[in-house]
Amino acid sequence: RKEVEQDPGPFNVPEGATVAFNCTYSNSASQSFFWYRQDCRKEPKLLMSVYSSGNEDGRFTAQLNRASQYISLLIRDSKLSDSATYLCVVATTDSWGKLQFGAGTQVVVTP
Amino acid sequence: GAVVSQHPSWVICKSGTSVKIECRSLDFQATTMFWYRQFPKQSLMLMATSNEGSKATYEQGVEKDKFLINHASLTLSTLTVTSAHPEDSSFYICSARLTSGETQYFGPGTRLLVL
Repeated sequence: RKEVEQDPGPFNVPEGATVAFNCTYSNSASQSFFWYRQDCRKEPKLLMSVYSSGNEDGRFTAQLNRASQYISLLIRDSKLSDSATYLCVVATTDSWGKLQFGAGTQVVVTP
Repeated sequence: GAVVSQHPSWVICKSGTSVKIECRSLDFQATTMFWYRQFPKQSLMLMATSNEGSKATYEQGVEKDKFLINHASLTLSTLTVTSAHPEDSSFYICSARLTSGETQYFGPGTRLLVL
């Protein structure tokens, strides 16, 4: 079983619509959670950290459910520029802060 | 945010040659750097964790004699793919972690194609 699992998609989303997707993680001792964005053939870029109480950054809302071991990302009012692969990332308790990456969820925003 | 550079951005080489990839943190000191590999449509897979001044820690299944890592300073880590083979063709990405906190900043990646 993979440590971090995501629906690969693609999620085809009309411009202006809302899209949401989850990611599950297997290590119950995981401490830190992130969403990264990766554009085609580029490096991942941090989109937002995910806090226990849930957090919002503009049109992006992230939630953490420790009991069920999943995190979610919701994108409101989707823009064409939101088209990308969204990587769910979980940090282990290792003191070096090793990150475990999901394979990503592809989002395609269409006009 | 912090800037991490990688060089070269892409390389094509013949099978059997060695390729060195540099990862530099440009505006901060990185005690720890990480090396990842990503095959098409797959997740980033951590290859090794590199701490300045000490030997790298390799993930299970990654050959340390094939992927040589040197972290000689707080701003530079190098990955050398020795005797590269076509199956080593991949997207190699480094990241650097600030000395405090867990935020990792990624380099732009190096595409390696071994013919």
